[in-house]
Amino acid sequence: QKEVEQDPGPLSVPEGAIVSLNCTYSNSAFQYFMWYRQYSRKGPELLMYTYSSGNKEDGRFTAQVDKSSKYISLFIRDSQPSDSATYLCAMSPYSSASKIIFGSGTRLSIRP
Amino acid sequence: EAQVTQNPRYLITVTGKKLTVTCSQNMNHEYMSWYRQDPGLGLRQIYYSMNVEVTDKGDVPEGYKVSRKEKRNFPLILESPSPNQTSLYFCASSLQGTNTEAFFGQGTRLTVV
Repeated sequence: QKEVEQDPGPLSVPEGAIVSLNCTYSNSAFQYFMWYRQYSRKGPELLMYTYSSGNKEDGRFTAQVDKSSKYISLFIRDSQPSDSATYLCAMSPYSSASKIIFGSGTRLSIRP
Repeated sequence: EAQVTQNPRYLITVTGKKLTVTCSQNMNHEYMSWYRQDPGLGLRQIYYSMNVEVTDKGDVPEGYKVSRKEKRNFPLILESPSPNQTSLYFCASSLQGTNTEAFFGQGTRLTVV
């Protein structure tokens, strides 16, 4: 069993829709949770970062962490074609970047 | 501009021919790492370095070597490449401490025939 599970998609939604992306994990030691966005032919870039359980909002993006269920989510409101990318969840038991485990990524396409 | 630079971007080589992929960052980051990205498997860590002359294995280190002689550079060495090392490789750097944000390079697509 992988430490981090993520539905690979692809997920295709119309512009303006609310998108929900999810990951589950098995290691209860994970405390730091991240979402990276990766455009085609580019390296991943950090989108959201949260510590422990709870919600964090940044513009149209909301990250949720439920440690009791070992489940994290990323919500995108008012989705735009420019949001089309692969979204990778990532998590770590440490505050430093020495051990980050990535999900396999969900490919998202926003239809104009 | 803050960035992580990898070279080359694309490389096709033959089995057994030693190669080096270079990585350089201009942000004075202590921490650097190498990942490979394969379909369905996501990003897997190969090696990481906490600082100059300090390196350690990640999840998939077999067949790879690294060195960290200077803070800004972290080359990935394949002494005897094999076809199962065909992959997309990313170098990343970050500050130590409470920020786990990793800055990634543009990637190196390696094909071993």
